Amino acid sequence: EPEVTQTPSHQVTQMGQEVILRCVPISNHLYFYWYRQILGQKVEFLVSFYNNEISEKSEIFDDQFSVERPDGSNFTLKIRSTKLEDSAMYFCASSEGSLGNQPQHFGDGTRLSIL
Amino acid sequence: SQKIEQNSEALNIQEGKTATLTCNYTNYSPAYLQWYRQDPGRGPVFLLLIRENEKEKRKERLKVTFDTTLKQSLFHITASQPADSATYLCALPSKAGTALIFGKGTTLSVSS
Repeated sequence: EPEVTQTPSHQVTQMGQEVILRCVPISNHLYFYWYRQILGQKVEFLVSFYNNEISEKSEIFDDQFSVERPDGSNFTLKIRSTKLEDSAMYFCASSEGSLGNQPQHFGDGTRLSIL
Repeated sequence: SQKIEQNSEALNIQEGKTATLTCNYTNYSPAYLQWYRQDPGRGPVFLLLIRENEKEKRKERLKVTFDTTLKQSLFHITASQPADSATYLCALPSKAGTALIFGKGTTLSVSS
C-alpha cells in the first residue's frame, strides 16, 4: 500500500538555526498538510496546501514557517529560526481529494529536537 | 472557537468486551467527523469517516455514530483484542474546511 514518507526521522538542531523537514506524499494525491504534536499533547494543524498554494494555515504557522513543493514529489516544511518550543513531532499528510470525502494519510513523522 | 473533547483520557477494558469512546464538540456544525488510531511514535491512521446525514457507520468490528443534535460521536470497538490497544483520535474540519482539528484522544488498553 502506498505510504507517505518523511525524512529525517529525527532532527536535532541548535536554537536559531534553520531546519527543513521533508515529505514525499502519496503519488496521486493532490492535497498536502503539515501537523505537529508536542510530546503528550494533541495533534495540531499547521498548514494545508493545494495547487501550489497555501489553502489554510493555523495561528501556529507564523512567519517563521514556510512550505514548498519544489518538484513533483517532495513537500517541505521550513522553520527559519528555530525556538525551543518548536520541539515536537512533525507529521506530513496527504489526501487524494477534498477533505469532505477523503481520509488523510499520515507519515510517521520527524521528531524535531531544538537544543 | 471550535472545541473538541474526548472525555476519557484512558479506558481500560478486558478482551472480548465492547469499548465505547466519546467525542463531544462545541461551537461547530461539522459536515463530517473522522476517527483515527495512533500508536506510540507513529502517525495517525484513518479508521472511519461519518457525514452529518449519516447516523451510523460500520467497518468490521468498528461502529461510529454521529448525533448532530447532541453534538456527539460515539466510537465502538466490539469483541476488543489486545491489538486494539492504542490512542483513538476524533477529528473535525478546520475553520475553512481544508484540514482536520483533532481531539486529544482516548488511550485504550485491552487486557487479555
